[in-house]
Amino acid sequence: QLQLQESGPGLVKPSETLSLTCIVSGGSISSSDHFWGWIRQPPGKGLEWIGNIYYSGSTYYNPSLKSRVTISVDRSKNQFSLELSSVTPADTAVYYCANYAWGRADYWGQGTLVTVSS
Amino acid sequence: QSALTQPASVSGSPGQSITISCTGTSSDVGGYNYVSWYQQHPGKAPKVMIYGVSNRPSGVSNRFSGSKSGNTASLTISGLQAEDEADYYCSSYTSSTTYVFGTGTKVTVL
Repeated sequence: QLQLQESGPGLVKPSETLSLTCIVSGGSISSSDHFWGWIRQPPGKGLEWIGNIYYSGSTYYNPSLKSRVTISVDRSKNQFSLELSSVTPADTAVYYCANYAWGRADYWGQGTLVTVSS
Repeated sequence: QSALTQPASVSGSPGQSITISCTGTSSDVGGYNYVSWYQQHPGKAPKVMIYGVSNRPSGVSNRFSGSKSGNTASLTISGLQAEDEADYYCSSYTSSTTYVFGTGTKVTVL
C-alpha cells in the first residue's frame, strides 16, 4: 500500500520560498505508471492543482503558478519536492502531495498547513 | 485555466438519489475521458470515488456512479446515507497537459 507524507515548515515569510517534501513509502517513485503531484487548498476553499512530475523528471504546472513553481524528484531518497517562490498570504493553504495513475489521484498525503505571514 | 463549474450545494434525504454536475469545456471535460470525482470529509484528505468518467476504484460503494455528456460530467449518489455528507470535487485532464479541479459541492443529508 502506497503511503505519502508531506514535510516542511508550517510558517513562511512573505516574499520567501515555500519548500515541501513528500516522502513515498510502500512503492517506488521510479514506477513508469505513475505521476507525482501537488495540490493545495486554502482554508475554507476548494482544491487547486499545482503540478505533476513524472519519474523521468518531466514536469507539468498550473499556468497560473508556473512562473513560481518547481517540482523535482529525488529517486535516491524515494521522494519528491515542491518549491513555490515569492509567496504571499494568498499562498496560505493545506498542501497535499498525491500519486497520479490513469488520470486520477489515487493516494494522498495527510496534508500540511503552510501559513504565509511575517 | 478556469475551475470547472459545480453547484455550491446539493441536499437530499436518506435513501434518495442526488446528482452533482461538473461543467467544463471541450478542452477538458468534453475532450477527454479522464474525469475523476473526489469526496472530502472535514479535515481529511480527498478520496477518489470515480475515475475515467464512470469507473469505481475497489472498495467504493456501487451507490456512486459517474457519467458524461458533452462538456458536463455528473456524479450520482443513490441511496443517500449520512456518511455521504461531505464536499465533492470533480477533476479533469486538459489539453494543456494539466489538471483542473471543480469549484466543489457541499452535499448535505437532511
